Amino acid sequence: DTAVSQTPKYLVTQMGNDKSIKCEQNLGHDTMYWYKQDSKKFLKIMFSYNNKELIINETVPNRFSPKSPDKAHLNLHINSLELGDSAVYFCASSQWGYSRLDTQYFGPGTRLTVL
Amino acid sequence: AQSVTQPDIHITVSEGASLELRCNYSYGATPYLFWYVQSPGQGLQLLLKYFSGDTLVQGIKGFEAEFKRSQSSFNLRKPSVHWSDAAEYFCAVVLTGGGNKLTFGTGTQLKVEL
Repeated sequence: DTAVSQTPKYLVTQMGNDKSIKCEQNLGHDTMYWYKQDSKKFLKIMFSYNNKELIINETVPNRFSPKSPDKAHLNLHINSLELGDSAVYFCASSQWGYSRLDTQYFGPGTRLTVL
Repeated sequence: AQSVTQPDIHITVSEGASLELRCNYSYGATPYLFWYVQSPGQGLQLLLKYFSGDTLVQGIKGFEAEFKRSQSSFNLRKPSVHWSDAAEYFCAVVLTGGGNKLTFGTGTQLKVEL
């Protein structure tokens, strides 16, 4: 019973390609997030959606476009991949998204390698 | 700026020894603090969280953390470390204002010697 799942787990691709990472949560949460973990293991938020509405959009290149078809799914599409996009991308979800009492639950991560 | 700092990049302890991982926060109001663990090749698992009330918080896997406002700290402790505790540990604070943003420290890598 995986709570937050991501596919694929590993993604190796060439520079300039377009790729997507999928995320699904079965916790019934209203809010989902994307985080990027760089090679030094630093974690930084990228986006957050609450009930399919974008509520957090950090300073991320517009090559990255999140899409939320419903509140249980938040996909990350990346255009024109660059070497610097190589990282581990984590999806997370939380019950509300607007309360500091919220707790975020993370998926297993997707390791993206751009060659 | 509101943030958390983990002063120790690496820590090595012997199995069975006690453990304390440091976390300092910078936040104007009462912070909402978390400890997450990332095992090798795995995602992030929540160990414990502090919102308010009792300053000593119990978590999973035998971990606890103590919130000390006077020292701006939220250190993670375990009385007896197991080899399976070897992992990366992240302290985080949640910031609000346009959604919940978890701001993470830089992490502490724990190595356990047998």
